[in-house]
Amino acid sequence: EPEVTQTPSHQVTQMGQEVILRCVPISNHLYFYWYRQILGQKVEFLVSFYNNEISEKSEIFDDQFSVERPDGSNFTLKIRSTKLEDSAMYFCASRADEGTEAFFGQGTRLTVV
Amino acid sequence: ILNVEQSPQSLHVQEGDSTNFTCSFPSSNFYALHWYRWETAKSPEALFVMTLNGDEKKKGRISATLNTKEGYSYLYIKGSQPEDSATYLCAFPSLTGGGNKLTFGTGTQLKVEL
Repeated sequence: EPEVTQTPSHQVTQMGQEVILRCVPISNHLYFYWYRQILGQKVEFLVSFYNNEISEKSEIFDDQFSVERPDGSNFTLKIRSTKLEDSAMYFCASRADEGTEAFFGQGTRLTVV
Repeated sequence: ILNVEQSPQSLHVQEGDSTNFTCSFPSSNFYALHWYRWETAKSPEALFVMTLNGDEKKKGRISATLNTKEGYSYLYIKGSQPEDSATYLCAFPSLTGGGNKLTFGTGTQLKVEL
């Protein structure tokens, strides 16, 4: 069964460092998302990506964040200069079209120290 | 900002009990309502995508109903089992911005005890 894969599963980084979280969405899907969940809080939307560009982003997704789909299969989230409050579980998701459910990856637990 | 609320926040039931929880969402500009189950150490998995007022969907012992006019959906679990322990999330897709993002509720954390 097709699935969304994310790497790494866990990343520890020092404050101020850049991190790249990687995702491989399901191959025929058209909509891609990044969400995060800070421990004990609700799942928060970060950004959606469609037709090779960002279609919507939240207030959380400031200039420190960027997304790319460099080669038609990978979908990456870059955080340029990590802060302690960026520590969270980051989920990638993809959808085939507007009317269908989202498929989520297993998540990357980012710990900023 | 879309307001998607779930209640209760957490629930402890005994094996065999039936239970239900609520998701409330904006009733205007309704498009669809999703339910996901999120087990610890796994990724959220879709249970239902509901689109029609009055819709009722069922998957095994789990069912869901939808009232788009008043903006709520109920998720029911009949005869809860320990393996039903998970966080149940509802999500409201919106078409604004062209991104069709999903706004998630806060979730209901269900624990089923033997």
